Amino acid sequence: DTGVSQDPRHKITKRGQNVTFRCDPISEHNRLYWYRQTLGQGPEFLTYFQNEAQLEKSRLLSDRFSAERPKGSFSTLEIQRTEQGDSAMYLCASSLGGTYQPQHFGDGTRLSIL
Amino acid sequence: DQQVKQNSPSLSVQEGRISILNCDYTNSMFDYFLWYKKYPAEGPTFLISISSIKDKNEDGRFTVFLNKSAKHLSLHIVPSQPGDSAVYFCAASPNSGGSNYKLTFGKGTLLTVNP
Repeated sequence: DTGVSQDPRHKITKRGQNVTFRCDPISEHNRLYWYRQTLGQGPEFLTYFQNEAQLEKSRLLSDRFSAERPKGSFSTLEIQRTEQGDSAMYLCASSLGGTYQPQHFGDGTRLSIL
Repeated sequence: DQQVKQNSPSLSVQEGRISILNCDYTNSMFDYFLWYKKYPAEGPTFLISISSIKDKNEDGRFTVFLNKSAKHLSLHIVPSQPGDSAVYFCAASPNSGGSNYKLTFGKGTLLTVNP
């Protein structure tokens, strides 16, 4: 059983650079989610896709952030002009559609801004 | 304003005893509740969930209890094992258009099970 896969696991970059993360969900899951987790906090919702459609974006997702899921399979999260405050763990999750479906998480991408 | 609260940052129990982790919520629109376990350097792993139409759900050593009137849920682990040592997150979501998609998490409770 292949779980949610995220790449890279770690990313270190200089402030002002652009970064892109990839998420491959569980194959039969049509819903995909992005969360951000900082130290001492629980994950915070960023955005969610049903198939290729992005259905909701949190106000945490500034205009420097963009997420795509072009063919309803893998997703990418891009951060442009990174800032110190972007340092966090970025988690991807996927689930089946419908109500009362648990979300299954990947191991995340840890972003460090120098 | 924190809508999901886990008031105990840490809990320590002896192997073989019961672990009880607690969670309170303030949003009356929440109708789906989940518990996740997280080891260092890994993502959260789904453990067990409960919908608002139930007050108890059991899966092996794990039982979740929901008290809607008190806006409180708890996770019981019996018997506790050293491998259960991890951070446990409580999460909740409202039903939006027939879908529970936006999870709100608590800050987590670090459980240590001592041999």
